[in-house]
Amino acid sequence: DQQVKQNSPSLSVQEGRISILNCDYTNSMFDYFLWYKKYPAEGPTFLISISSIKDKNEDGRFTVFLNKSAKHLSLHIVPSQPGDSAVYFCAARAAGNKLTFGGGTRVLVKP
Amino acid sequence: DSGVTQTPKHLITATGQRVTLRCSPRSGDLSVYWYQQSLDQGLQFLIQYYNGEERAKGNILERFSAQQFPDLHSELNLSSLELGDSALYFCASSRSGMFTDTQYFGPGTRLTVL
Repeated sequence: DQQVKQNSPSLSVQEGRISILNCDYTNSMFDYFLWYKKYPAEGPTFLISISSIKDKNEDGRFTVFLNKSAKHLSLHIVPSQPGDSAVYFCAARAAGNKLTFGGGTRVLVKP
Repeated sequence: DSGVTQTPKHLITATGQRVTLRCSPRSGDLSVYWYQQSLDQGLQFLIQYYNGEERAKGNILERFSAQQFPDLHSELNLSSLELGDSALYFCASSRSGMFTDTQYFGPGTRLTVL
């Protein structure tokens, strides 16, 4: 039962363009969402988060959008840089502090 | 560098054996989380401890157990190992363990069961 899904396993984008990563969830009890970035041989690194009371949160080149009615969130990276090449995980948290992760999307930014 | 340390980095063992993975949280963090990342399952939450007490449980098998010690380091014990237990095991820590806390991840321990 995958409560958090990232339907695109990979994404390729040109340097300087926008990267859009999508994430869908099914559990309406999720009320906090996070994005993590993971490089090979390293642990995930926290990137940006959003509470369910908001629909947008921005931090530099990274913006997360939340559409609660559609149970959908997205991460926009503008402009994309070669150093952004990594695997991105979305995660959702419900009461009880259990974090549920999506399967990840591998992003490749081409110079 | 997240400040979370995990040992060992790699572990190779045989089926039926028992291993212990160790995690030291960031200085000042009271909560420790354990995750398993396998090829076919993605990242799975196993268990959380806060200041020595179990706080939340995820998809942790009965063959697995964990504890957090008074100095706040944590150990994950995996017993009666099976081939399917081969995975990357991550530890994360956070300041207070509240659901709004950011979790900082260690580099992981890669377990290979032969």
